[in-house]
Amino acid sequence: AQTVTQSQPEMSVQEAETVTLSCTYDTSESDYYLFWYKQPPSRQMILVIRQEAYKQQNATENRFSVNFQKAAKSFSLKISDSQLGDAAMYFCAYTRTSGSRLTFGEGTQLTVNP
Amino acid sequence: DTEVTQTPKHLVMGMTNKKSLKCEQHMGHRAMYWYKQKAKKPPELMFVYSYEKLSINESVPSRFSPECPNSSLLNLHLHALQPEDSALYLCASSQEQRNTEAFFGQGTRLTVV
Repeated sequence: AQTVTQSQPEMSVQEAETVTLSCTYDTSESDYYLFWYKQPPSRQMILVIRQEAYKQQNATENRFSVNFQKAAKSFSLKISDSQLGDAAMYFCAYTRTSGSRLTFGEGTQLTVNP
Repeated sequence: DTEVTQTPKHLVMGMTNKKSLKCEQHMGHRAMYWYKQKAKKPPELMFVYSYEKLSINESVPSRFSPECPNSSLLNLHLHALQPEDSALYLCASSQEQRNTEAFFGQGTRLTVV
């Protein structure tokens, strides 16, 4: 069975600073997708970034980037120039390419301090 | 339109009531999902519909009854719920059941009294 582990229940960062959220996963599949979702107090799960396992290049979306280490099964999220609006619960998630089930980690609550 | 719309946003119901949650998307997605989320926990998959047919039921109690009237709509019918069923219910959709990118609605906050 696939598992996703986020070892940091809570993180905090100063506005304009950089923060990295950790995620590790376990799978025997070679083809899969990894995601970071953000869930602010408004409750909607918003896709932040997506990584296909077959791509060696790390995904980047504006201030958000990932460090994808396939051999180590690690998928960390870096947020640069943190903004107050980045404060949210962040979930790492996994799905097999042929699958339909998202497996989520337990989440990391990010606080951004002004 | 990249929205998944859920109604109502909040619902309080008694244990003998019957109510329904609604979800709508107009992105042409053929897979739709119901998730249950408890406070400070990740979402848990309940049901998956693919091309309007139920393809996954994660052993959800029968007091939860999903329905997919057409490719844009997904309902969750609720009957005889328990207080422990109080949670945030999230609807999501994706292009196909192979879930390369799921779009989520804002959820319905359900309280069972």
